[in-house]
Amino acid sequence: ELKVEQNPLFLSMQEEKNYTIYCNYSTTSDRLYWYRQDPGKSLESLFVLLSNGAVKQEGRLMASLDTKARLSTLHITAAVHDLSATYFCAVDMTSGSRLTFGEGTQLTVNP
Amino acid sequence: EAQVTQNPRYLITVTGKKLTVTCSQNMNHEYMSWYRQDPGLGLRQIYYSMNVEVTDKGDVPEGYKVSRKEKRNFPLILESPSPNQTSLYFCASSSLAGGADTQYFGPGTRLTVL
Repeated sequence: ELKVEQNPLFLSMQEEKNYTIYCNYSTTSDRLYWYRQDPGKSLESLFVLLSNGAVKQEGRLMASLDTKARLSTLHITAAVHDLSATYFCAVDMTSGSRLTFGEGTQLTVNP
Repeated sequence: EAQVTQNPRYLITVTGKKLTVTCSQNMNHEYMSWYRQDPGLGLRQIYYSMNVEVTDKGDVPEGYKVSRKEKRNFPLILESPSPNQTSLYFCASSSLAGGADTQYFGPGTRLTVL
């Protein structure tokens, strides 16, 4: 059974600081997704990582994938309040038909 | 506008009263899926469909049914809802069976079963 674990689950940080969210998974996969969810809202796609060593960046967020370590990271650079949300990673181990989500990391950026 | 729509957005019902949550996408996606979201558990897949008339169980299918008679629609049916099915439900769709493409999520349906 595939397990996907995120840490930390709760993250409170100050503006302008850097931090990293980790996503570990238990079974070989080369497809990993990051989503953002604002309170009371749906999920918004952030990144799709499809191969070992993949790195993608959008604004203050950068995601990477190490399939050998079964680890993905979401790095936040110089956080701003607008980044406050819950971030989910999801792993696909069956060529597209089954996504397993992590528990989510609730990020709060304080002024 | 490309989107996934769900109806209703909010529903309060009683135990045992059959209900259907509709999901429709206008992107001609082959793949559609239903998830439930519960605090501390993230999202868990209920059922998914790779194309018309092709459906399969996800991680938590008990108590749910689905059908895929048309490509654009993927309704979720609760034949006899119970309180433990109180949850936030999301429908999602993607192309390429979700493999190389991200899944697009609907706005969610908040269901309360009394």
